[in-house]
Amino acid sequence: SQTIHQWPATLVQPVGSPLSLECTVEGTSNPNLYWYRQAAGRGLQLLFYSVGIGQISSEVPQNLSASRPQDRQFILSSKKLLLSDSGFYLCAWNWGRQETQYFGPGTRLLVL
Amino acid sequence: QQQVKQSPQSLIVQKGGISIINCAYENTAFDYFPWYQQFPGKGPALLIAIRPDVSEKKEGRFTISFNKSAKQFSLHIMDSQPGDSATYFCAASDGGATNKLIFGTGTLLAVQP
Repeated sequence: SQTIHQWPATLVQPVGSPLSLECTVEGTSNPNLYWYRQAAGRGLQLLFYSVGIGQISSEVPQNLSASRPQDRQFILSSKKLLLSDSGFYLCAWNWGRQETQYFGPGTRLLVL
Repeated sequence: QQQVKQSPQSLIVQKGGISIINCAYENTAFDYFPWYQQFPGKGPALLIAIRPDVSEKKEGRFTISFNKSAKQFSLHIMDSQPGDSATYFCAASDGGATNKLIFGTGTLLAVQP
């Protein structure tokens, strides 16, 4: 069966520091991968998606970037965090033309 | 046109009551409508989904009602239980190369014992 992992689970970072969040999927190959941000009490904002290694599409211009160095690995990064980057970051995957997305457990980021 | 509008923002229901959450969309190309359930501190999980070729889909206590002409769909939770207390998101997709989902803003449901 397929599993999706995210780490770290929680992160507290100072403003201006770099960021690296990791997402990996097990049990499948060539998944579509997605990064979402969820602000406190708000909906899900799609940040990036990837349909293959090295293929990244950005949905919202911002302080963040994404990379997909391996087939089942998706990384969310920032060179300098802003206070507004605080939130709950969710990674999701699906495969091929499948429409259902499966979410990971999330990373809670607090920028102080 | 890509938005999915969800209401209410929050909902309080007594145990055993019916919870109803509504969503509306504009893009007629949407052809897949899932509902996700999210507990605090967890990722959303697929609850139930429907396609526009049917008007209703039921799975246990959860039912999706779909009105294609009105471009609206709703989630009904029958016999609501305290364990149903969570945030519910509707979403829509038009398929395509990436199968992106457009999410509603969420409804925080509290079922009181």
